[in-house]
Amino acid sequence: GAGVSQSPSNKVTEKGKDVELRCDPISGHTALYWYRQSLGQGLEFLIYFQGNSAPDKSGLPSDRFSAERTGGSVSTLTIQRTQQEDSAVYLCATREWGYEQYFGPGTRLTVT
Amino acid sequence: GENVEQHPSTLSVQEGDSAVIKCTYSDSASNYFPWYKQELGKRPQLIIDIRSNVGEKKDQRIAVTLNKTAKHFSLHITETQPEDSAVYFCAASASQGNLIFGKGTKLSVKP
Repeated sequence: GAGVSQSPSNKVTEKGKDVELRCDPISGHTALYWYRQSLGQGLEFLIYFQGNSAPDKSGLPSDRFSAERTGGSVSTLTIQRTQQEDSAVYLCATREWGYEQYFGPGTRLTVT
Repeated sequence: GENVEQHPSTLSVQEGDSAVIKCTYSDSASNYFPWYKQELGKRPQLIIDIRSNVGEKKDQRIAVTLNKTAKHFSLHITETQPEDSAVYFCAASASQGNLIFGKGTKLSVKP
């Protein structure tokens, strides 16, 4: 079946602009996570949605970052007033009832 | 919060040899420990995972061991092949929450 998809695959933006990154989960997956991977680094947790519960935002690095998940399906990560240090690959992962998280291909964000 | 340390950061082996990557975690509440393989420019792919109610799990050439008392877990790859070359990440989570990742190990398998 279809896996996790993300769009756009690449995004180049100017410093100070806002960007929106989209994640389409595997159908039926109730949990959705956003991670960030900077060049040559590990993955850093950003935010976690589980069903209709309030999201766990404990990993968001600043108030310029926000995310929403509409209808328990598609999620959008928004970064306002982008900075050069926001340049990274943003990965979305989803999970059904078990433990395994399935990753999307990521969005490579470059802030110039 | 949870902290995961991973060693070594780079590992080079000859084809056919074994490779071992070790991770430690700090939060005793963590109960799920996956290992991901990430090839250059690709998404992380789960290769094996273990839950805290078992001490060892094996899948063909790959095995993972968990020592809950010492809070460490290891990935073992036997009979390595060039296609095993990639970056490997360990991770830990509690109660199906978010994963906390180690910083990765770049494995190179020389033919």
